[in-house]
Amino acid sequence: GQQLNQSPQSMFIQEGEDVSMNCTSSSIFNTWLWYKQDPGEGPVLLIALYKAGELTSNGRLTAQFGITRKDSFLNISASIPSDVGIYFCAGGMNRDDKIIFGKGTRLHILP
Amino acid sequence: DGGITQSPKYLFRKEGQNVTLSCEQNLNHDAMYWYRQDPGQGLRLIYYSQIVNDFQKGDIAEGYSVSREKKESFPLTVTSAQKNPTAFYLCASSFSTLSNYGYTFGSGTRLTVV
Repeated sequence: GQQLNQSPQSMFIQEGEDVSMNCTSSSIFNTWLWYKQDPGEGPVLLIALYKAGELTSNGRLTAQFGITRKDSFLNISASIPSDVGIYFCAGGMNRDDKIIFGKGTRLHILP
Repeated sequence: DGGITQSPKYLFRKEGQNVTLSCEQNLNHDAMYWYRQDPGQGLRLIYYSQIVNDFQKGDIAEGYSVSREKKESFPLTVTSAQKNPTAFYLCASSFSTLSNYGYTFGSGTRLTVV
């Protein structure tokens, strides 16, 4: 079945550093989504991408839809303590089928 | 405000008991989903429903049951047949299963077997 490979699994960074994580697949997707999950809460949609090559920002977050439609990345600039959490990528085929989720990247920020 | 509400936030169950987790949405979404999340794991799909009175098994449906009698509600029952039910359960909804819309998630229910 379709799978999304999300990397890295976890990251330990210093406050103020930039963060980069990505998601790859052997399948083509028509939609890429990035979610953030705070501890003990449900995931919240951060950015949605609908076109190959699209680059979209949401504050300090920037995400891109890969040209091949098989990958996407998320960058966080100048990380702050509230960025801690799990970031999930998700791919959609734009047809009557479910979204596929990656296994998440857990972000830790060192004091 | 529209949203999706899960209750309770924390639930304790004795071994051998069935327990039902509530999920209600007022977003007028047609599709609803239940996911299970274990520590260090991703989101695993239990059941989903595209329309009232219809639902399909996900990847880990064994030991779970659902109903969809109303558009707004999609309760999940964790039965005694589920061997390892301790987990964080997430409910989600979307306009349809056309997967370009993204899902809206509830805040989750943490189930612990005691």
